[in-house]
Amino acid sequence: AQSVSQHNHHVILSEAASLELGCNYSYGGTVNLFWYVQYPGQHLQLLLKYFSGDPLVKGIKGFEAEFIKSKFSFNLRKPSVQWSDTAEYFCAVNTINTDKLIFGTGTRLQVFP
Amino acid sequence: GAVVSQHPSWVICKSGTSVKIECRSLDFQATTMFWYRQFPKQSLMLMATSNEGSKATYEQGVEKDKFLINHASLTLSTLTVTSAHPEDSSFYICSASYGYTGELFFGEGSRLTVL
Repeated sequence: AQSVSQHNHHVILSEAASLELGCNYSYGGTVNLFWYVQYPGQHLQLLLKYFSGDPLVKGIKGFEAEFIKSKFSFNLRKPSVQWSDTAEYFCAVNTINTDKLIFGTGTRLQVFP
Repeated sequence: GAVVSQHPSWVICKSGTSVKIECRSLDFQATTMFWYRQFPKQSLMLMATSNEGSKATYEQGVEKDKFLINHASLTLSTLTVTSAHPEDSSFYICSASYGYTGELFFGEGSRLTVL
């Protein structure tokens, strides 16, 4: 069965610090990869997604993620975080031909001014 | 972008009663809808997948008779928590897709509190 691991449960940063959130998945076949963000009191929103092609994908709000197939990883990065990036971040995966998303446990990011 | 709306956004009920939560795709026809449950400070757990006009497919460990899912039209799916108990208190989130795009659109979630 597929599974998704996010090793950072809670990250605290100061504004302008760089961010990297880890995501690893277990599945031997072809996958689609996603990062979703949930701001306080709001619904989940898509940050970025990877289906195929360039393994470095850019999303909204300056976020990017790199798919490393050999490591089964899809880490999320942002060079300089802002206070408004405070949120819960979820990595998710599905296999081709299905929309069923499997989520990681989430990482809570707190950014202090 | 595609919009998914849930109603009610929060509900409080007495133990033993049933509660219905609606999930609507407002500007697209959702061929598939998914229901998730989110416990405090935990991830989203997929409960079931529903396709319009057919029975829902439940994930292992999810009680079909407890969580009734109906996908009567391409824009509406409902989740009914039957004979609710305090342990059913949670945040329920629906999501929808149209065709296979690989992307899901999420509702705002519905917080259920069972007293």
